[in-house]
Amino acid sequence: RKEVEQDPGPFNVPEGATVAFNCTYSNSASQSFFWYRQDCRKEPKLLMSVYSSGNEDGRFTAQLNRASQYISLLIRDSKLSDSATYLCVVNFLTGGGNKLTFGTGTQLKVEL
Amino acid sequence: DADVTQTPRNRITKTGKRIMLECSQTKGHDRMYWYRQDPGLGLRLIYYSFDVKDINKGEISDGYSVSRQAQAKFSLSLESAIPNQTALYFCATSDLKGNNEQFFGPGTRLTVL
Repeated sequence: RKEVEQDPGPFNVPEGATVAFNCTYSNSASQSFFWYRQDCRKEPKLLMSVYSSGNEDGRFTAQLNRASQYISLLIRDSKLSDSATYLCVVNFLTGGGNKLTFGTGTQLKVEL
Repeated sequence: DADVTQTPRNRITKTGKRIMLECSQTKGHDRMYWYRQDPGLGLRLIYYSFDVKDINKGEISDGYSVSRQAQAKFSLSLESAIPNQTALYFCATSDLKGNNEQFFGPGTRLTVL
């Protein structure tokens, strides 16, 4: 089983739609969680951290369910510029320090 | 100017050649990382360094070596390149005191023929 699993998509949605991505992780000792955004052929960039209480940043809402080892990202009122790949990232502490594990990403295409 | 830079941005080479990829950062971060990205496999960690002269293997270090001679620089070497090392390579940095958010360079697209 992969340490971090995501549906690769693509998710094709019309502009203005609400779309949700899910991610599951296997290591129950995971400590912190992130969503990164990656545009085609570009570097990943942090979109938002994910907290147990849930957090919102404009049109984006992230949720964490530690009991089910599950993270979600909700995008409301999708824009064309939201088209990208969204990477679920999990951080856990190892003997060698913090280790980030990346999911393979979920591709989003927002269409007119 | 970008905080994390990589050179070269694109490289085509032949099997058996030695290749070095360079990474420089102006963020003042202690921690630096090298990843490769392949379609369908996501980002995989090759090596990482928490300080000058500190070197740690990641999940796919075979066939690669690294050097961290200065805080701002972390270089990745392929001693004898092979075609399955064709990939997009990213360098990243993070702050010891932060939440481990990583900041990525623009990537190097390497093709081994």
